[in-house]
Amino acid sequence: ETGVTQTPRHLVMGMTNKKSLKCEQHLGHNAMYWYKQSAKKPLELMFVYNFKEQTENNSVPSRFSPECPNSSHLFLHLHTLQPEDSALYLCASSQVILQGTSTDTQYFGPGTRLTVL
Amino acid sequence: AQTVTQSQPEMSVQEAETVTLSCTYDTSESDYYLFWYKQPPSRQMILVIRQEAYKQQNATENRFSVNFQKAAKSFSLKISDSQLGDAAMYFCAYRSADSGANNLFFGTGTRLTVIP
Repeated sequence: ETGVTQTPRHLVMGMTNKKSLKCEQHLGHNAMYWYKQSAKKPLELMFVYNFKEQTENNSVPSRFSPECPNSSHLFLHLHTLQPEDSALYLCASSQVILQGTSTDTQYFGPGTRLTVL
Repeated sequence: AQTVTQSQPEMSVQEAETVTLSCTYDTSESDYYLFWYKQPPSRQMILVIRQEAYKQQNATENRFSVNFQKAAKSFSLKISDSQLGDAAMYFCAYRSADSGANNLFFGTGTRLTVIP
């Protein structure tokens, strides 16, 4: 396995469904991220986990629920989504250094293309 | 919040030629990092090049180089000897050097087409 993997690659769901996106990183990193990529908009950071603890939630609706059981795995649980939630969801990981500065380069997975009907 | 602007939604370049992609950003911080990411049609976002703001020397990575103008808050990417595999969306991104800051701020991207 290389880098950051995401499953599934494509997902179609109805507004009443419950589904989960999975991300796994094989880089030994200690921070993981969920981003939303919509057409013609900048990538939007949704959630950040440092050392398995959520440190940032950029006003994401509660129909998106993250879970980080360990430093290698990250989930995004989805329920009662809206059609406007259709987008590419990208996972990323990085190595955060707490003392001093860090370039903290983020490495991305291939994404899950989500379509909400 | 910091903003990153890529004013060229689309660019094209002839194979083997050189192309420059523009990026400007707005920040009040003095120390930060800048990145160029490439997203080919396969969708995996790949880091192309990284620049530390405290370094005056422009970063280079093989055929990729940047022109970092800190005073002008400009961070352009130059691709030399363009290849067909360079065709992709290119995103400029900014991150604070504050160790507590995780957020990467992205531009809207530039779609690069390479003409054979």
